[in-house]
Amino acid sequence: SAVISQKPSRDICQRGTSLTIQCQVDSQVTMMFWYRQQPGQSLTLIATANQGSEATYESGFVIDKFPISRPNLTFSTLTVSNMSPEDSSIYLCSVVQGGDNQPQHFGDGTRLSIL
Amino acid sequence: AQTVTQSQPEMSVQEAETVTLSCTYDTSESDYYLFWYKQPPSRQMILVIRQEAYKQQNATENRFSVNFQKAAKSFSLKISDSQLGDAAMYFCAYRRARDDKIIFGKGTRLHILP
Repeated sequence: SAVISQKPSRDICQRGTSLTIQCQVDSQVTMMFWYRQQPGQSLTLIATANQGSEATYESGFVIDKFPISRPNLTFSTLTVSNMSPEDSSIYLCSVVQGGDNQPQHFGDGTRLSIL
Repeated sequence: AQTVTQSQPEMSVQEAETVTLSCTYDTSESDYYLFWYKQPPSRQMILVIRQEAYKQQNATENRFSVNFQKAAKSFSLKISDSQLGDAAMYFCAYRRARDDKIIFGKGTRLHILP
């Protein structure tokens, strides 16, 4: 399966600032996704990162707050903008490596705390 | 809209015993996949087992097996010979075939008692 490197693994940020999380895969993948996991909660899909075009956002998530880039088939970034304490969560990148019925594999996540 | 329900927020099992985690889902799609993921305290999401909806045979991976009842939209996970390393949060997940989007249940925290 693909090896997924997510950076940073954790960060503590000030209210009102922005942070960019990187997701690097060691091989080309067809689909890349970004999830949020709030404390003690399940995973919620933020958006599908589309290569060469704008990301597809789920209900409740907007591009101004969570801009996403995917310049190629192995890399994506998620920015959490104008952060508030409510943004304190784990953010996870996941990928599907092509073909039907292939499972999603996840990065180790970024634990973000907002002061 | 699709939903995934895990009705057991927490469960405990004695080491070496067998435990079953429940999951039900709701969908009008005919083509989909079902998964169980494990998330230990390290927070890494680890795929435990997967089931294609078109397959009648229940998936098995070593000590892990599922009971897939398509008509009832039920997808339970059985862990045999429970080990201390099985302690984790377990998430049931549904994935649409047409766009690969995954919907997760709220999770079941499994405790293994020595």
